[in-house]
Amino acid sequence: NAGVTQTPKFQVLKTGQSMTLQCAQDMNHNSMYWYRQDPGMGLRLIYYSASEGTTDKGEVPNGYNVSRLNKREFSLRLESAAPSQTSVYFCASSSQGQVDNEQFFGPGTRLTVL
Amino acid sequence: GQSLEQPSEVTAVEGAIVQINCTYQTSGFYGLSWYQQHDGGAPTFLSYNALDGLEETGRFSSFLSRSDSYGYLLLQELQMKDSASYFCAVNSGYSTLTFGKGTMLLVSP
Repeated sequence: NAGVTQTPKFQVLKTGQSMTLQCAQDMNHNSMYWYRQDPGMGLRLIYYSASEGTTDKGEVPNGYNVSRLNKREFSLRLESAAPSQTSVYFCASSSQGQVDNEQFFGPGTRLTVL
Repeated sequence: GQSLEQPSEVTAVEGAIVQINCTYQTSGFYGLSWYQQHDGGAPTFLSYNALDGLEETGRFSSFLSRSDSYGYLLLQELQMKDSASYFCAVNSGYSTLTFGKGTMLLVSP
């Protein structure tokens, strides 16, 4: 039982390049999330998918797109990377309807945009 | 909008008790959660309060006052391994959480 996995762990991009961050969970969770974490800024929600087939914007969606490929996988795409997108990206999942909405996080992807 | 306030840093010694406060302003409120993060790794869930009062889980307790829009995390019998960042987060519906900026706890011998 791997929980939430993310690939890659590290990535360096040049401004204008594109890339897709991958996330998968094996806990049969309905809901999945993408956050970014910057120093002193806590975790900010980029996009989420409350259930398979749906996606919604979070607090900071500009410059990103997402795809809920199936129940297990939720990817985040940067079409044209900018230095402001240098951050640590965390994927998370939770069981829809659970009262405490406990979210399980992956290990993160550390992205640097030059 | 939503905003959460928590101290940026707290220091304490091993064996002591420390309290990390969190105040929030949100347009909707279902509950307050606490997460722990070591050295920039994956955040992990600690506790959740939906109703007023104290929830205890081992050495950690969490308190909520909905009327005061206030909560705190209480850590007892501090250990070196408790050195980490602690985040409060509001569940305001739609399965999403809004996180505070985090409190870095430094435990010294």
